[in-house]
Amino acid sequence: NAGVTQTPKFQVLKTGQSMTLQCAQDMNHEYMSWYRQDPGMGLRLIHYSVGAGITDQGEVPNGYNVSRSTTEDFPLRLLSAAPSQTSVYFCASSYSRGDYTFGSGTRLTVV
Amino acid sequence: GQQVMQIPQYQHVQEGEDFTTYCNSSTTLSNIQWYKQRPGGHPVFFLIQLVKSGEVKKQKRLTFQFGEAKKNSSLHITATQTTDVGTYFCAGPRSGGGADGLTFGKGTHLIIQP
Repeated sequence: NAGVTQTPKFQVLKTGQSMTLQCAQDMNHEYMSWYRQDPGMGLRLIHYSVGAGITDQGEVPNGYNVSRSTTEDFPLRLLSAAPSQTSVYFCASSYSRGDYTFGSGTRLTVV
Repeated sequence: GQQVMQIPQYQHVQEGEDFTTYCNSSTTLSNIQWYKQRPGGHPVFFLIQLVKSGEVKKQKRLTFQFGEAKKNSSLHITATQTTDVGTYFCAGPRSGGGADGLTFGKGTHLIIQP
């Protein structure tokens, strides 16, 4: 099993550009979520999904969209990138017990 | 909303000394989980989830405790080694079993001086 796979690992965007961060898991986990990690702020929840076709907002959802068309995939879309979205983004998945397996992250810089 | 506080933010120890990080939630938690993140890496679950009031679990040199009120927790490492370097996070489910994600503490950075 590959676990949780995130692509790309690094990305530089210009302000106003859009992009999609990819996340895929092969563990048949129902729960998936996206976090951003900023220095001194810990991990903050952006969006989450409890199953295919079901998504909801987390703590810091503004500027991001998600979809969950399959159990395996949970992409995160940045609609119009801003410097404040410079961060490290982690995707995570879980089965019913609720402890999460994290991907290796995407380091995003918006200039 | 739910908040999880964690102290200290940084901890410097000499190799061989003990280390403890403390976690406190603003709400009662159904469980608490601990994660470790190595520098430049991603959070990794310790494979220990505390569920019961007053629960204590051990994993080699690590001891995890859950408070009686299920609002606080601690992680204690005995005789630190250089491989223990990293950031330690506690996390609790936002609600119920964690289907809607976790609330993380801000982490404790463990720095070990040989």
